[in-house]
Amino acid sequence: AQKITQTQPGMFVQEKEAVTLDCTYDTSDPSYGLFWYKQPSSGEMIFLIYQGSYDQQNATEGRYSLNFQKARKSANLVISASQLGDSAMYFCAMREGYSGAGSYQLTFGKGTKLSVIP
Amino acid sequence: EAQVTQNPRYLITVTGKKLTVTCSQNMNHEYMSWYRQDPGLGLRQIYYSMNVEVTDKGDVPEGYKVSRKEKRNFPLILESPSPNQTSLYFCASSLLAGAFDEQFFGPGTRLTVL
Repeated sequence: AQKITQTQPGMFVQEKEAVTLDCTYDTSDPSYGLFWYKQPSSGEMIFLIYQGSYDQQNATEGRYSLNFQKARKSANLVISASQLGDSAMYFCAMREGYSGAGSYQLTFGKGTKLSVIP
Repeated sequence: EAQVTQNPRYLITVTGKKLTVTCSQNMNHEYMSWYRQDPGLGLRQIYYSMNVEVTDKGDVPEGYKVSRKEKRNFPLILESPSPNQTSLYFCASSLLAGAFDEQFFGPGTRLTVL
């Protein structure tokens, strides 16, 4: 089973509007971290926001916020007031406290390609 | 500036010609990792290192070697590159290997093997 699922391969949003990118995860580990990364066409991976499994409040970072619903195992990224520069691939990722392989790797979803329309 | 650096950023080579992609971090991080990113397959871990002289295989280690002689450096070695190793490679590091530790990524290395 996939550990991170991003069901939206592509999305469009009007400039200055808000957009929600979906992410669901699967783990039996009580300790895990959820991360969102942005990958523009230039290729680098840019860290956006983080949520720990024990955090009581949803994370926020400027125009980015994370809608964390632990019981539903979802960690959706909300981008407010979209800008043209937000056009990019967005990846949800999880790091578990103990992974079966012990590699402590980040497990990534397939990504969502966001296009901001002027 | 805290960062992870990779070199080269772009490389075109031929089958069988040994190459090394360097990775260095200046944050005194213990954990370092290599990923490759391929269309439709996402990012997959190649090798990782928990600390100096401690390395282990990730999900796709075939055809790669690594070493961790110093804390800051974690080079990726392709002894005999093949076309199926054409990919975008990322080095990443984190302070520790915990669930709550953010991994910092290098800028990526685009490798083409002809």
